[in-house]
Amino acid sequence: DVKVTQSSRYLVKRTGEKVFLECVQDMDHENMFWYRQDPGLGLRLIYFSYDVKMKEKGDIPEGYSVSREKKERFSLILESASTNQTSMYLCASSLGTWNEQFFGPGTRLTVL
Amino acid sequence: KQEVTQIPAALSVPEGENLVLNCSFTDSAIYNLQWFRQDPGKGLTSLLLIQSSQREQTSGRLNASLDKSSGRSTLYIAASQPGDSATYLCALHSGGYQKVTFGTGTKLQVIP
Repeated sequence: DVKVTQSSRYLVKRTGEKVFLECVQDMDHENMFWYRQDPGLGLRLIYFSYDVKMKEKGDIPEGYSVSREKKERFSLILESASTNQTSMYLCASSLGTWNEQFFGPGTRLTVL
Repeated sequence: KQEVTQIPAALSVPEGENLVLNCSFTDSAIYNLQWFRQDPGKGLTSLLLIQSSQREQTSGRLNASLDKSSGRSTLYIAASQPGDSATYLCALHSGGYQKVTFGTGTKLQVIP
């Protein structure tokens, strides 16, 4: 079975801090994704990566950056956290472009 | 722009009932459709993936159908159990590269 893990289940940070969210998948998938999920807005794509060191902006990239130095690891970076970035962050991976997506358990981030 | 609607937003049924969850979409040019379940505070668990060329997929008590001409997919759950209580989301691959659109989900409660 595909396993996608995220570094933290819950995280509390202060406004202005730099925040790193880590995601690791163990199935040699090409594609990895970061979403945020908010009540009433559903899941929105922040960034995705289709190969090592390759990345593409999703629907809401502002305030975020990403890093993919190794195939199995995809990091989401909040350069200067703000309260409106309080959300549930979900990482996913897929084998190829139109393949099934597998999700991690999520990180509930609270920015105070 | 693809729009995905799931109605109703919430559903409560007694244990043992067969039930149908609906997913409607506006653009029939899709590559595939995926159904997920999400337990409170957790990530998404993939249930079924239907390719554009398929009409249905089955896994255990779950059966998902796809009718592109009417812009509709249904998830049929047979003999519902309290453990089926969760939010169910559909997601469509359509449009541009890696474009996935999620519905906002149907929250299902199965009462013992």
